Parts: sequence; structure tokens; C-alpha cells
Amino acid sequence: DADVTQTPRNRITKTGKRIMLECSQTKGHDRMYWYRQDPGLGLRLIYYSFDVKDINKGEISDGYSVSRQAQAKFSLSLESAIPNQTALYFCATSSARGYHEQYFGPGTRLTVT
Amino acid sequence: AQTVTQSQPEMSVQEAETVTLSCTYDTSENNYYLFWYKQPPSRQMILVIRQEAYKQQNATENRFSVNFQKAAKSFSLKISDSQLGDTAMYFCAFSIHSGTYKYIFGTGTRLKVLA
Repeated sequence: DADVTQTPRNRITKTGKRIMLECSQTKGHDRMYWYRQDPGLGLRLIYYSFDVKDINKGEISDGYSVSRQAQAKFSLSLESAIPNQTALYFCATSSARGYHEQYFGPGTRLTVT
Repeated sequence: AQTVTQSQPEMSVQEAETVTLSCTYDTSENNYYLFWYKQPPSRQMILVIRQEAYKQQNATENRFSVNFQKAAKSFSLKISDSQLGDTAMYFCAFSIHSGTYKYIFGTGTRLKVLA
């Protein structure tokens, strides 16, 4: 079984709709992250959480919100989706110790029409 | 501002040959971590290799090694004995954990290994 899972894997939605992307992990890590990937721009950090009570904005948080429901679960919401939020979204986790390398989920391809 | 630059959008290499992917970064911090991640067509992001900035010795993981030049802020990845399965996008990244947390990715280099 995958250590970091994301649901859904693919989603098409209409402008103005609310959508939630979910992430779960079995790695036992305290830290979780949400990124978006756009062609030619690499990955950009949306939000991160170092524990259940700690939520922080990343580089591009406008238009997004998150919820850390438990150590193992971190959800990303688009309250009112717009076409330029069409992207590949990744959830990642890391340990608070060591090198801080991140472990990624399989990604969610989101298309907003 | 902290940035990561990968100046080679695309590269190709013959199977069994060696290839080097370039990465430069900019930061005023002294303590940070550097990474190379691989993203094959399956789109899964996979850690290839990592390096702590305070360690002078270059990291090595099997066929993958880095050339870390801290003064030049350069962190290149060398892939030896290239295999078809190495075909992927490669992203350089660094993280800073003092003050505001940052994890910055470059824009990637698309590597194609030719049979």
C-alpha cells in the first residue's frame, strides 16, 4: 500500500464550484504539505502544516484553504474554483528530523472548465 | 529572494553513458538542505539524492552523485551508466528551516535516455 495517498486522482469541475482534495499518510510524519505543479514552473508550495494545530501559508495560498483533521490527514479546498487553478496537485509529508526530504503522493490532476 | 535555477530544459543521453544536470541556487542562509527529485511519466515524485549544506563531501546513491560547490551555489547531478528507466523530469530543490520555512523547487530538466 502507498505511504501517501491522494483522492481523487483526477477531477474535472466547473468554475465557481467548491472542491476538496484529500491526502492521507501512513508514514507517521508530523509534517504535511500541498503543492501545485504547472508546466514550466516546477512545484510551488500552497500550504504546510508542521502538526495538527499548526497551519502556514506557502508561496501561493490565495484562493485555497486547508484543514488538518488528524496527524495523518490534510485536505486542500478550493472554495470557488477558477480556470487558472487547473494544475497537478501534490501532497507531501516529511519527518521533523533528519534531512527533511519529502515523500509525495501520486498527485491529483484538477481541471477547472 | 531564494531561487533555484535549472538552465537545461531538456537533455538526452545514450543508454550506458554519463550525463550531468545543472542546478544553481541563491540564498543568504548558511544552513540548508539540497535535493534532486525525479518525476517519471507516471508523475510520481521520487527522491533521488540529498545533501546537507554543511557537509563538504558530495553525496552518492548508486549511479547518482552530486557535485556540490557551496561557494558557487551549485548542485549538479551526475547520472552514470544511464538506463532507459532514468527517463524523467528531474527537479532540483532546497529547503531552509530557520525563520520562515521554505522549500523551493527549480523548473525541472526533462531527461530522455536513448536506446
